[in-house]
Amino acid sequence: EDQVTQSPEALRLQEGESSSLNCSYTVSGLRGLFWYRQDPGKGPEFLFTLYSAGEEKEKERLKATLTKKESFLHITAPKPEDSATYLCAVQARGNFNKFYFGSGTKLNVKP
Amino acid sequence: GAVVSQHPSRVICKSGTSVKIECRSLDFQATTMFWYRQFPKQSLMLMATSNEGSKATYEQGVEKDKFLINHASLTLSTLTVTSAHPEDSSFYICSARSRGPLEQYFGPGTRLTVT
Repeated sequence: EDQVTQSPEALRLQEGESSSLNCSYTVSGLRGLFWYRQDPGKGPEFLFTLYSAGEEKEKERLKATLTKKESFLHITAPKPEDSATYLCAVQARGNFNKFYFGSGTKLNVKP
Repeated sequence: GAVVSQHPSRVICKSGTSVKIECRSLDFQATTMFWYRQFPKQSLMLMATSNEGSKATYEQGVEKDKFLINHASLTLSTLTVTSAHPEDSSFYICSARSRGPLEQYFGPGTRLTVT
């Protein structure tokens, strides 16, 4: 069964304290892995798409990496405005329309 | 680019009435649109997928007669919650994807409260 597990559930960081969020997945043929950011009371905001193991993408303080079993979202020198819930989703080759979402990691960056 | 809007952002209705939520892709053609439901502190639950001009495909456990979805054009999809009950109160989010790219772009969500 296709599934996505994110860890930790919640993460508290001091401003400037770098860390990583994990997304482990089990899928019958990965078509794509997606990272989103969601602020309270808002819809998810697209961050990255990763297609194959070894791929990396960066945007400002965020860097996403992908292996055959998991993805990491690295946050370098985070700022309070990076506080949000980060969602990971995968799409399997067998189902073009369905995203399997993880439960998210709630990140709180304190000044 | 890739902006999706939803209207209304908040709605309060009485039990037994129907509510329509609109989802629009503002700067691209959405060949596929999705409707999700999100409970507090939980992840997104896919309700249904629709392709322009076709009937929606509902996920298991989602009542198609209660949650009516219409994808009338390449920029507009609507979700109508019929005979709403308090248990239908939730955060409803739509997303859209154009032909080709895999990623979905999400709207800002609609908070539905049924009293």
